[in-house]
Order: sequence, then structure tokens, then C-alpha cells
Amino acid sequence: GAVVSQHPSRVICKSGTSVKIECRSLDFQATTMFWYRQFPKQSLMLMATSNEGSKATYEQGVEKDKFLINHASLTLSTLTVTSAHPEDSSFYICSAGGTASSYEQYFGPGTRLTVT
Amino acid sequence: GQQVMQIPQYQHVQEGEDFTTYCNSSTTLSNIQWYKQRPGGHPVFLIQLVKSGEVKKQKRLTFQFGEAKKNSSLHITATQTTDVGTYFCAGALRFGNEKLTFGTGTRLTIIP
Repeated sequence: GAVVSQHPSRVICKSGTSVKIECRSLDFQATTMFWYRQFPKQSLMLMATSNEGSKATYEQGVEKDKFLINHASLTLSTLTVTSAHPEDSSFYICSAGGTASSYEQYFGPGTRLTVT
Repeated sequence: GQQVMQIPQYQHVQEGEDFTTYCNSSTTLSNIQWYKQRPGGHPVFLIQLVKSGEVKKQKRLTFQFGEAKKNSSLHITATQTTDVGTYFCAGALRFGNEKLTFGTGTRLTIIP
């Protein structure tokens, strides 16, 4: 199957700083990528849909100015958590896929963010 | 908004016993997908169901999609230790590049 990578896998940052997470589709082009957040022992909550060459679509309750998404190419989407706070500590996962010919979504390995 | 619930939240079974998780959506779905997430890992696609009343099998796993396309189930026969993980259903309202709403998940643990 297709491969999606994320970088970094783990990051610890101080409160008030910004953190950028990269999501790459390694062997296919993805016009759409999805960003999820998962708290311990909970389900995946969709944060936003990242569209190549256009603005991201955010889910209700997700602050677009806090979680900046950029999808500059067909293989790269980035999520920047700005002015991070301890409550932003979570597991962030991206996915790509779900086209008309392939319904499967391929998930990245996730990034565990800890804000101190 | 769309909600997808799963029961049970947790299930502990003896190795060799069967396991079933049920998924219910508040809205009619175009298709439903199932994913497995191992502890510390990321979700891995298992299967997609599209047709009303559809049943699919993968070795010991049997997946069903309800007639009304609002519920689904995953049944594992004779569980093994490798089945440990959290099973999520995820519903889509439309085909194609469409967002998924993940269910609440069922965490399966196996007692050897």
C-alpha cells in the first residue's frame, strides 16, 4: 500500500512556542490530506481537510489561526501549532487517500506533541 | 453533526473466544470503513463496505453493513493475541476524497 510519513515523530516544546509537523505522501500524489488529533485512549477527531493549492477546511471548534495548515504540493502538507499550550499536547495524525478509485485512507505514523 | 458510536468501549476475551464490536451512525452513510490501531501505532485500513446489507470476510474477520446503511459490525472468530488493539469504524457521507467520521472505538485485549 501507499506510504505516508510524518515528521517529527515526537516533539517537546515550551508553552508559547510554535511547532510545525510535516506530512508527506511518499509514493503517490494527494490532492487532499486530513489532519486528526487523538487524545489518550480516545478516538480520532478530524481537525481539518487540507487541499492542495487552496485553503484548508476546518472542522467546527478548531481554531484556524492556531492550527495553520499549508498544502503547498501534492505530496506535502504541514500543520503548525502556534503559541502552543499544555492542552495542545496530543497525538497528531495525518492521512491521505480516499480518491474515487481507492477508498482507503493511508495514515502517517503520527506525531506526539508534548507542551511543557 | 454526524456521530458514530461503537459498543462496547472495552472488551477482554480469552484467547480463542469470539469478539464483536458494533458501530452505529446517526446519519445514513455512503460507505463505512474499519481500521485497527495497535497500541502506540496508527490506524491501519482493514476494509470498506459500500452496499446495503453487505457482508465481507477476511480470514477470521467478518464485516457487515446494515440494510439502512447506518450500522455495521465486526466479528472476529477464535481471537488470537495478534488481534489486540483498538478497532474503529469510520463513516463517510460521500465517496471519493471525503472526510471520515471515526467511531468511538472498541479496545480489545486478549487473555492468553
